This record gives sequence, structure tokens and C-alpha cells, in this order.
Amino acid sequence: GDSVTQMEGPVTLSEEAFLTINCTYTATGYPSLFWYVQYPGEGLQLLLKATKADDKGSNKGFEATYRKETTSFHLEKGSVQVSDSAVYFCALTGISSGSARQLTFGSGTQLTVLP
Amino acid sequence: GAVVSQHPSRVICKSGTSVKIECRSLDFQATTMFWYRQFPKKSLMLMATSNEGSKATYEQGVEKDKFLINHASLTLSTLTVTSAHPEDSSFYICSASSQYNEQFFGPGTRLTVL
Repeated sequence: GDSVTQMEGPVTLSEEAFLTINCTYTATGYPSLFWYVQYPGEGLQLLLKATKADDKGSNKGFEATYRKETTSFHLEKGSVQVSDSAVYFCALTGISSGSARQLTFGSGTQLTVLP
Repeated sequence: GAVVSQHPSRVICKSGTSVKIECRSLDFQATTMFWYRQFPKKSLMLMATSNEGSKATYEQGVEKDKFLINHASLTLSTLTVTSAHPEDSSFYICSASSQYNEQFFGPGTRLTVL
């Protein structure tokens, strides 16, 4: 079945540092790829998405490019802020998940940004 | 974006009692709702998928009789944890999906069973 593998955390960075969180996936067909963010005590919010190969999703300074050749969707941000501290989840939807809309999540990566 | 609410946000109950969690889509009609369970420092585990007016589809390993799901309308789904035990303590998150397929997540409910 489908699966998502995320970089193990926690990740601790200083403010204005460069961020990369690696994500690779296994899926049949052409899944859509997502990054969700979860702030402390809250539910998940969609951060960005990409629906086909070579698409780049971007939002709030974060970017991720759908790389079919490497089955990856790494999250990057050039200069992180303290307010970016949260847990980040990589996810996909694919037909083989049982439903075209069912999400398969990675394990999550805790990011802490220090002032 | 679309708003999904959950109630209550936190609940503490005694072992053996039942707890109901509500999930509402506030500004759109949710044809499908999903219920997830999140363990500390772990990812979200899909428990079940429910379509309005139909029985929920449970994931393997999830007890249907323990986690009762009702999706009575296009804006409301409920999860009832029956005869709760301490091992049911967790963070429960719902999401709602419209006909356009994107899932919108509720803020979650922290259940603590004493």
C-alpha cells in the first residue's frame, strides 16, 4: 500500500536558518502530495500541496517540489522564524489508499526555532 | 478556508463511561468525514471514514462497537467512545471533505480516561 517516510525529528534551528525536512513516498499511480502543519494544541492545517510531477507548492515562505523521479516532496524554507515552531506532516492521497480522498501521513517532524 | 469545529476540546471521564465527540463543518457541506487518532509524538492513524447517511467504514484493527460513528447530516458527525478505558486516552481529530475533495481538519479533542 501507500506509505510516506519523513525525516526523524526533532529539528532545532536558530531563527533565520535554512530549513529542509525530507519526505519520500511510495504509491502506485499519481498521488497528490501535501504538507500539513500542526501548531501546539491545535488540529492540522494545510500548508501547501502539489498535484502532479514537477509542480511546486508554496505558502508562507515554505516550498516543496513534487519529484516523481526520486519520489520525494521535501519541504524547504529559506529563513525560519520562531513562529514556525510546530509539527510538520507530509501526506499523500492516492487511489490505492482505498479512496481517492484518503490521506496517508508520515510520522511528523517536530520543528523548534530558537530566537 | 473552510472551518471545521470539534466539541469538546478536552474531556476527562471515568473508566467505563462513554464519551461523545462532535465534529461540525461550519460553512460547507461535508459529504465525507474522517476520524483520526493521534498518539503522543506519533502520526495520525485513520480510524474510520463516514459518508452522510451511510455506515462508517472502519480501518483494520479499529473496534466498531467501541468507536461508534454517526454521520447523520452533511454538517455533523459524532464519535462515541463506549466503555472508555485509560488506553483510549488520546487526541482525536476529525476532518471533513466536500465534493471538491480537500480535507479540512478540526482542532482536535483531548480525551483523558481516568
